[in-house]
Amino acid sequence: EAQVTQNPRYLITVTGKKLTVTCSQNMNHEYMSWYRQDPGLGLRQIYYSMNVEVTDKGDVPEGYKVSRKEKRNFPLILESPSPNQTSLYFCASSPGQTQETQYFGPGTRLLVL
Amino acid sequence: AQSVAQPEDQVNVAEGNPLTVKCTYSVSGNPYLFWYVQYPNRGLQFLLKYITGDNLVKGSYGFEAEFNKSQTSFHLKKPSALVSDSALYFCAVRDRGSTLGRLYFGRGTQLTVWP
Repeated sequence: EAQVTQNPRYLITVTGKKLTVTCSQNMNHEYMSWYRQDPGLGLRQIYYSMNVEVTDKGDVPEGYKVSRKEKRNFPLILESPSPNQTSLYFCASSPGQTQETQYFGPGTRLLVL
Repeated sequence: AQSVAQPEDQVNVAEGNPLTVKCTYSVSGNPYLFWYVQYPNRGLQFLLKYITGDNLVKGSYGFEAEFNKSQTSFHLKKPSALVSDSALYFCAVRDRGSTLGRLYFGRGTQLTVWP
């Protein structure tokens, strides 16, 4: 089944404790992206990747890191999480052309205490 | 700067009535436009998109949207709403002239269809 998977789905952590949210797609998509969803703000793009080893900042990259060493994986790294990073995070992928539909993962709900 | 506006946080309609969820956009070039839907505790699902051609686009679950270049709008419509259409709807835009991968979302509109 074609899908985007994220792990973990739910995470409670404390300020400053490094964490990684994994994202994997099995559709051989070139483009992958991370978003955060907050009430009243919609989805905001954190980082995106046009292909392996090619990443760029979105609207809200501060406090996040990403890497794209393999085509299928695009982990989101929070080196020192803070409470304002409490949010719902979505990973998405698409074949690569700008007109293509993005496929979203199920989301990761993060609470930083 | 690219942006998307969904002027209504909430839309309430009775089942069987037509529904409209509004979206206006701003891009420096010509747009690719998308609608996504999010059901509770789920990820976003694609509904429809405008790339080129006919301004009226038909999508999943009986939804359609009309691209209006002069009004820079892409309103989502359905002739007869169902209770199961109740969800959060997002409009999104990409600048087709850009080589960057940025996709801009609106803040979302909560649609409630009551029986």
